[in-house]
Amino acid sequence: DGGITQSPKYLFRKEGQNVTLSCEQNLNHDAMYWYRQDPGQGLRLIYYSQIVNDFQKGDIAEGYSVSREKKESFPLTVTSAQKNPTAFYLCASTRQVYGANVLTFGAGSRLTVL
Amino acid sequence: DAKTTQPTSMDCAEGRAANLPCNHSTISGNEYVYWYRQIHSQGPQYIIHGLKNNETNEMASLIITEDRKSSTLILPHATLRDTAVYYCIVRSTGANNLFFGTGTRLTVIP
Repeated sequence: DGGITQSPKYLFRKEGQNVTLSCEQNLNHDAMYWYRQDPGQGLRLIYYSQIVNDFQKGDIAEGYSVSREKKESFPLTVTSAQKNPTAFYLCASTRQVYGANVLTFGAGSRLTVL
Repeated sequence: DAKTTQPTSMDCAEGRAANLPCNHSTISGNEYVYWYRQIHSQGPQYIIHGLKNNETNEMASLIITEDRKSSTLILPHATLRDTAVYYCIVRSTGANNLFFGTGTRLTVIP
């Protein structure tokens, strides 16, 4: 089955360490997104990429970095510059459904900073 | 993108229809209405979308008012597995972000 695979599902990190979250899709979607979700809150956009080798900052990009070297892959690095990295991270891609863009999400990665 | 307003929480009896309202009074002509839901600690799941006509699929029905300022998501026979947070979003096709607010927490009661 096609879908989006995020790994790891749970991750613990010490303060000051960088960590990379993986996002892989086999849906042949061009656009991919990273969102952050804090407890009881909605989703906030970190970065998005509409095509290979191109990406743009979202609403809360500070302290994060991404790359898009392959269509299938859009990894997110949470750097030590991110002041409050403990959160649930969601990767998504879009497909066209009757003229509208529909997001497909992965299962998420929960990062906890100790 | 237009903002949406949803009730914070709702309860529904199992087997009954769940009607989730959404207000989007500032929606513009090229913006679609999308509904997603998120079961605890999972990624959001797409349910349905529409532009101005009512829509139905295997999961739900979407009723959009004639002036497009509000809509209702209908789950015809709610089950315990429908307990989730439901997000109503409006977005134009060319926009790069979907604004997910805090949604409506639907609890289906046995």
